[in-house]
Amino acid sequence: GEDVEQSLFLSVREGDSSVINCTYTDSSSTYLYWYKQEPGAGLQLLTYIFSNMDMKQDQRLTVLLNKKDKHLSLRIADTQTGDSAIYFCAETLPGGYNKLIFGAGTRLAVHP
Amino acid sequence: DAGITQSPRHKVTETGTPVTLRCHQTENHRYMYWYRQDPGHGLRLIHYSYGVKDTDKGEVSDGYSVSRSKTEDFLLTLESATSSQTSVYFCAISVTAGTDTQYFGPGTRLTVL
Repeated sequence: GEDVEQSLFLSVREGDSSVINCTYTDSSSTYLYWYKQEPGAGLQLLTYIFSNMDMKQDQRLTVLLNKKDKHLSLRIADTQTGDSAIYFCAETLPGGYNKLIFGAGTRLAVHP
Repeated sequence: DAGITQSPRHKVTETGTPVTLRCHQTENHRYMYWYRQDPGHGLRLIHYSYGVKDTDKGEVSDGYSVSRSKTEDFLLTLESATSSQTSVYFCAISVTAGTDTQYFGPGTRLTVL
């Protein structure tokens, strides 16, 4: 069945770039998403990419999509302590109704 | 924030008791979802709704039921709570124009003793 995999933990120094990786299985997904979750809060949509795009940039965020390898990445430039959170990638499930499947989440820790 | 509220925000209950969680939206979106979040598992879909009285099962639906009698409210019921249902529950709605993006409520932390 469909699956989305992420590494569970990433530690970076403040000011460096962070790269969070994700692999997915359903090549028919129309959109792929990145969500951010801060402690005690719900998920907040960070960005998304349409499946016919290779790259999308939004201020400090860059999303790269490699459809051949079913690999999605999120790069955060100039990482700040406020970026410390859990980051989830998600893809649309087949069968309609806008259902999503999420990865387990990557906890990003930013240290001085 | 897409106008989504969840109640209660926190609940402690005992094994075997029924529990109902409520999700309320203010913008008349057709699609609504219930997820649970557990460490190491991300978010897993419990049930979803595609209209009033139209619901279907998700990945982890055993032990849960849902109802949607009005567009704005989506209820999740644990008929007889078990300790394995201790989790954080999130409701979401989907904006169907364009990107099919889901927006999430603030969550309900449920502890079953």
